[in-house]
Amino acid sequence: GEKVEQHESTLSVREGDSAVINCTYTDTASSYFPWYKQEAGKSLHFVIDIRSNVDRKQSQRLIVLLDKKAKRFSLHITATQPEDSAIYFCASNVGDNSKLIWGLGTSLVVNP
Amino acid sequence: AQTIHQWPVAEIKAVGSPLSLGCTIKGKSSPNLYWYWQATGGTLQQLFYSITVGQVESVVQLNLSASRPKDDQFILSTEKLLLSHSGFYLCAWSRDWAYAEQFFGPGTRLTVL
Repeated sequence: GEKVEQHESTLSVREGDSAVINCTYTDTASSYFPWYKQEAGKSLHFVIDIRSNVDRKQSQRLIVLLDKKAKRFSLHITATQPEDSAIYFCASNVGDNSKLIWGLGTSLVVNP
Repeated sequence: AQTIHQWPVAEIKAVGSPLSLGCTIKGKSSPNLYWYWQATGGTLQQLFYSITVGQVESVVQLNLSASRPKDDQFILSTEKLLLSHSGFYLCAWSRDWAYAEQFFGPGTRLTVL
């Protein structure tokens, strides 16, 4: 079946540095790639997304890059802060646009 | 403003017992609704989604069923719990267009013993 692979299971950075989380997908028809954040013991909330009609999107300190040829997308968090520490999930749509396939999550730790 | 409420907050149940988890969305008519299961350790799996009352699509079979009896309510249930059902159950809603952001509820933590 179709998959989304999230390459970093854990990532540790120093406060102020950038963090990059990479995901790859298998479905060539995928066109929507959201990112969600889950803080310890809490639910998920939306962070940023990108659609296949663009290859870059930025929202404040967050940048998402999409490489359709390589079937890869990545989340860049610049100038990291301790409150960025959380698990980040990537996902992509598959076939029916109401279905998402999720990566396994990346635990990001930002050290002061 | 829209709010999403899940109940119960947590449950401890015996293997073989029935289960019913609920989710209610207020402030949004005709939302798309979703059930997710998150294993201990973080893996997230979409279980069901619904775009209208009475219609539920299954994404993965885990011996669970879902129903949408009202526009703002989504129910997850099973008649016989398995140990493997333990985890964190999340309900989410989105607006009724393609590629819409999903808003997650606070979740229900289920422990099956």
